Amino acid sequence: QQQVKQSPQSLIVQKGGISIINCAYENTAFDYFPWYQQFPGKGPALLIAIRPDVSEKKEGRFTISFNKSAKQFSLHIMDSQPGDSATYFCAASMGTGRRALTFGSGTRLQVQP
Amino acid sequence: GAVVSQHPSWVICKSGTSVKIECRSLDFQATTMFWYRQFPKQSLMLMATSNEGSKATYEQGVEKDKFLINHASLTLSTLTVTSAHPEDSSFYICSATEPRLNQPQHFGDGTRLSIL
Repeated sequence: QQQVKQSPQSLIVQKGGISIINCAYENTAFDYFPWYQQFPGKGPALLIAIRPDVSEKKEGRFTISFNKSAKQFSLHIMDSQPGDSATYFCAASMGTGRRALTFGSGTRLQVQP
Repeated sequence: GAVVSQHPSWVICKSGTSVKIECRSLDFQATTMFWYRQFPKQSLMLMATSNEGSKATYEQGVEKDKFLINHASLTLSTLTVTSAHPEDSSFYICSATEPRLNQPQHFGDGTRLSIL
């Protein structure tokens, strides 16, 4: 059973545009929602994370929007740059740290110059 | 920031051999580490949770006799793929977290395993 559904599978955005990736979860016990960026041949790197007690969190060009009632959260990348081209994974867990992450299926983002 | 190191980054070996992958937390002690497996263009799938000083907890469908995990110290966990076969070829990634409250998981750069 896939507990975190991610869309789209791939995304092409022009430089300077906004990239939007969506995720939906099923397990209401999840209380920690990070986004990871992965470049080919590398491990995932944490971008930004949110807990369900806030509806939005912004760090630089990256913003997470969270809708607890709909069990959905999304990543917005403002002013997308070619260097943002990577695979993005949403994830969820019950608490940080010692709990394993359940990952979404990933979104391959390509930012065209 | 917290750094997790994996070694080797890439290994090629013949079918039937055993391969050991190391995961180290370089600047913090990790009582819990996680091992994930990632096939090309797919997501990360949790294989097992490694707890220092105790037996690992394996996810359903992961053969514990095939994938031996040892977490003998607070900074080192190892994954040994025993009698590896071509279908074991994959990208193996570990993660660890600092013991302080509400700390995120930090991932290693992965090990690409190719079995000929």
